[in-house]
Amino acid sequence: EAQVTQNPRYLITVTGKKLTVTCSQNMNHEYMSWYRQDPGLGLRQIYYSMNVEVTDKGDVPEGYKVSRKEKRNFPLILESPSPNQTSLYFCASSPFSDGFYQPQHFGDGTRLSIL
Amino acid sequence: EDKVVQSPLSLVVHEGDTVTLNCSYEVTNFRSLLWYKQEKKAPTFLFMLTSSGIEKKSGRLSSILDKKELSSILNITATQTGDSAIYLCAVEAWAGAQKLVFGQGTRLTINP
Repeated sequence: EAQVTQNPRYLITVTGKKLTVTCSQNMNHEYMSWYRQDPGLGLRQIYYSMNVEVTDKGDVPEGYKVSRKEKRNFPLILESPSPNQTSLYFCASSPFSDGFYQPQHFGDGTRLSIL
Repeated sequence: EDKVVQSPLSLVVHEGDTVTLNCSYEVTNFRSLLWYKQEKKAPTFLFMLTSSGIEKKSGRLSSILDKKELSSILNITATQTGDSAIYLCAVEAWAGAQKLVFGQGTRLTINP
């Protein structure tokens, strides 16, 4: 089944304790992206990647890191989490077809609480 | 700054009613406008619009883009309780790479 898989789905942790949220897709998509969703603000893009070893900042990259060593994986790293990073996070991927990026497939989300 | 604004932010109607959700945008290098439905989990894709004036339709849902007015509407006819969800509008802009800018979403509640 074609899917984007995020882990963990839920995490409660404390300020300053490094954490990684994994994202994996099995559709051989070139493009992958991370978003955070906060009430009243919609989804905001954190980082995106057009292909392996190519990453770039979205609208809200502060406090986050990413890497794209393999096409299928795009982990989100919070080196020193703070309470303002408490949010619902989504990973998404899309193929590149006919010169255009196609609609994104989303993972089921990771709810992070930073105390 | 790229911006997408949806209205209303919240809407409560009765089953069987018809609803119209709005999305307006200001982005550089517009490529497409997308509508997603979000229930409890991940947003799921509904429509992608690239050309002005051409209606996309799927069952009771339809959507149209107006590039002159920089806006789009999503119509749902004969609403059902299963249509209750957050509807997200996103605009794809091109800045050397695909950038997707989302609106705040419209929370639609359908009462039986």
